[in-house]
Amino acid sequence: DGGITQSPKYLFRKEGQNVTLSCEQNLNHDAMYWYRQDPGQGLRLIYYSQIVNDFQKGDIAEGYSVSREKKESFPLTVTSAQKNPTAFYLCASRIRGAQHNEQFFGPGTRLTVL
Amino acid sequence: KNEVEQSPQNLTAQEGEFITINCSYSVGISALHWLQQHPGGGIVSLFMLSSGKKKHGRLIATINIQEKHSSLHITASHPRDSAVYICAANSGGSNYKLTFGKGTLLTVNP
Repeated sequence: DGGITQSPKYLFRKEGQNVTLSCEQNLNHDAMYWYRQDPGQGLRLIYYSQIVNDFQKGDIAEGYSVSREKKESFPLTVTSAQKNPTAFYLCASRIRGAQHNEQFFGPGTRLTVL
Repeated sequence: KNEVEQSPQNLTAQEGEFITINCSYSVGISALHWLQQHPGGGIVSLFMLSSGKKKHGRLIATINIQEKHSSLHITASHPRDSAVYICAANSGGSNYKLTFGKGTLLTVNP
């Protein structure tokens, strides 16, 4: 079945460690997105990529890094520079181009930094 | 101030009741999305609309572009409808960025 997978579902890390969250899609979508969700707040865009080997910062990119070496994969690294990394992270993808194509979301990864 | 505002923040209903969740936005948009997030966290897209009304099963979404307002209605609500409902506005442009509301937590009691 086509879809977006994120792993792991729950992730625990010690403060000061970098951690990489996985996002894979087999929908043949060009565009991929990373969002962060905090209690009481709407989803906020961290990074997005519209095509392989290209990505742009979203609204809250500080302390995060991404790569897009393959169309199917858009991993997110939470670095030690991110001041409040504990959050729920969602990956999404869509067909690039048409404005009325919906986004498909992954199941999310809940990161807790101890 | 968030550019997308939802009301109410929390809503509790009895099974069978008619539910309305509202969304107002302050930016010009090309499309508005309604999303459903279950307790496990995954998000499902319910509707994407730029004008008028869409219906899927017991769910109905409407949008009034002039008033910058959208509503999500659930008829004959059921406990399995319990979830967080999120509206998100796409302001258009080549980058396709969504601005999300904070969500409405709906609890439907049997």
